[in-house]
Amino acid sequence: GENVEQHPSTLSVQEGDSAVIKCTYSDSASNYFPWYKQELGKGPQLIIDIRSNVGEKKDQRIAVTLNKTAKHFSLHITETQPEDSAVYFCAATLRASKIIFGSGTRLSIRP
Amino acid sequence: DAGVIQSPRHEVTEMGQEVTLRCKPISGHNSLFWYRQTMMRGLELLIYFNNNVPIDDSGMPEDRFSAKMPNASFSTLKIQPSEPRDSAVYFCASSLVASTTDTQYFGPGTRLTVL
Repeated sequence: GENVEQHPSTLSVQEGDSAVIKCTYSDSASNYFPWYKQELGKGPQLIIDIRSNVGEKKDQRIAVTLNKTAKHFSLHITETQPEDSAVYFCAATLRASKIIFGSGTRLSIRP
Repeated sequence: DAGVIQSPRHEVTEMGQEVTLRCKPISGHNSLFWYRQTMMRGLELLIYFNNNVPIDDSGMPEDRFSAKMPNASFSTLKIQPSEPRDSAVYFCASSLVASTTDTQYFGPGTRLTVL
């Protein structure tokens, strides 16, 4: 069935270094790819999204790339800071309003 | 705007009891989603509404689960009877319109523990 695979499941980086999280999706009709950040005890919050008509989008230290041919998309965080520590979820649309989420990446920033 | 509001934030109940979770979407949003989050299964969509009408409930695990949206500003997710395997965090989310490219905004969740 349709699914979104996310890697790695855990990621530890030194403060100031970059972090990259990768996802693949199976439904070629997917056209919207949001990324959510979930902090402990809170709901997921949208941090950036990309639509299928663009290949890259950047917002300050966060960027997302999309390769529709390969059905890959990635989240890049540069100059990581302690407040970047959280669980990150990628997602892709299926049909109508349905979104399927990846399994999450627990990102830890080492001081 | 206050964002999506969920209540209660925590619920502890005993097996067999009825549980009702509540959600108030962002004012003006026309679509509402209920999700369940567990370590084993991650974030799963249970049901979603568009203009108060249930559109897709294929994610509802069993007949013990039911959801209603009597008006644009309120929705409930009910579990009757509850079982220990229902223990999870339940999220409500809303979006402005029901489209594949519209952002969903999540509430803080209800952590349900069934003993």
